[in-house]
Amino acid sequence: KQEVTQIPAALSVPEGENLVLNCSFTDSAIYNLQWFRQDPGKGLTSLLLIQSSQREQTSGRLNASLDKSSGRSTLYIAASQPGDSATYLCAVVRGGTYKYIFGTGTRLKVLA
Amino acid sequence: GAVVSQHPSRVICKSGTSVKIECRSLDFQATTMFWYRQFPKQSLMLMATSNEGSKATYEQGVEKDKFLINHASLTLSTLTVTSAHPEDSSFYICSAVSPHSRGGADTQYFGPGTRLTVL
Repeated sequence: KQEVTQIPAALSVPEGENLVLNCSFTDSAIYNLQWFRQDPGKGLTSLLLIQSSQREQTSGRLNASLDKSSGRSTLYIAASQPGDSATYLCAVVRGGTYKYIFGTGTRLKVLA
Repeated sequence: GAVVSQHPSRVICKSGTSVKIECRSLDFQATTMFWYRQFPKQSLMLMATSNEGSKATYEQGVEKDKFLINHASLTLSTLTVTSAHPEDSSFYICSAVSPHSRGGADTQYFGPGTRLTVL
């Protein structure tokens, strides 16, 4: 059974810091991995999608990497801003299905 | 880009009543949709897979008679919470699979969620 874990569970940093969020999964047979952002009481905003054949994806200040063999992904946020405060979720999709298995989430707070 | 909507965004109901939540894909046809629920400060848990024209497939531990799913058309899936109880209060999110989207990879789009509160 696929399990997705995110570390740390919560993180509070001063504005301007570069930070790394970690995601690990137990079954490497994934189709893709996706990072989402969720603001309190809101739905999901897709940040980056990494297909299984890819190693990383970049969008603006965000960079996500994927190492299937070790079952890990990291989300790097450069020059963090208070507007980055949210919960970040990683999710994996198993090959042959469209089902997302979500991680436990990291609650990020960027202090002004 | 593809958009998935949910209606209502918030609903409050009395215990024992039934509540229907709609999930629509606005600019694409989705043969497959998914329903997730999220308890406060927890992650999303997959409840069921909704397939157009066939019965939904439920994840282990999800009561199919309590959470009725109907995928009547290629753009609409509904989740009905029957005989709702306070413990059913949660955030329900749907997603829809867009076939053969940009890049050749199927892409899944998430709705904005529905907050259900059962009194």
